Amino acid sequence: DVKVTQSSRYLVKRTGEKVFLECVQDMDHENMFWYRQDPGLGLRLIYFSYDVKMKEKGDIPEGYSVSREKKERFSLILESASTNQTSMYLCASSPPQGSNEKLFFGSGTQLSVL
Amino acid sequence: GENVEQHPSTLSVQEGDSAVIKCTYSDSASNYFPWYKQELGKRPQLIIDIRSNVGEKKDQRIAVTLNKTAKHFSLHITETQPEDSAVYFCAASISGSSNTGKLIFGQGTTLQVKP
Repeated sequence: DVKVTQSSRYLVKRTGEKVFLECVQDMDHENMFWYRQDPGLGLRLIYFSYDVKMKEKGDIPEGYSVSREKKERFSLILESASTNQTSMYLCASSPPQGSNEKLFFGSGTQLSVL
Repeated sequence: GENVEQHPSTLSVQEGDSAVIKCTYSDSASNYFPWYKQELGKRPQLIIDIRSNVGEKKDQRIAVTLNKTAKHFSLHITETQPEDSAVYFCAASISGSSNTGKLIFGQGTTLQVKP
């Protein structure tokens, strides 16, 4: 079974800190995604990557960056955390489009920025 | 930009009743429409999906219908049970230069099934 692992379940950071959220998948998937989940807003795409070192902005990339140095790992970086970035962050992976677009999600990281 | 609208935001039904959640999408090129279920404190998981060349798909108590002309699709749950209580998200694929299977999600529907 596909496993998508996020490094932290809960994280508390201070305003202005640089924050790294890590995600690892074990199924050799090409595509990886970072979403944030907020009540009433659903899942909004921050960034996605379709190959190593490749990335594209999603719908809400402001204040975030990403890194994909290895196929299995996709990191989300908050350069200078702000209180409006308090949210649940979900990582997901999927095989190439055309085969099966099913997303496999991690358990999520609940980030609180104080 | 492209978006997906989902209604209702909350839905409460009695056990055994049916539940229907509706979504509309804006991108006429969308061709893949999955539904995800997220139980409290857990990750979203795919429960059913439909492609644009099919009008309806059924899996036991769950069915999804698609109207491409009207650009809307719906999730139908029959004979609801307490374990169906969860947040449900619809999504639609977005065409784009990367062709990566990127999805746009609806806002979510919190379904409560009362015993």
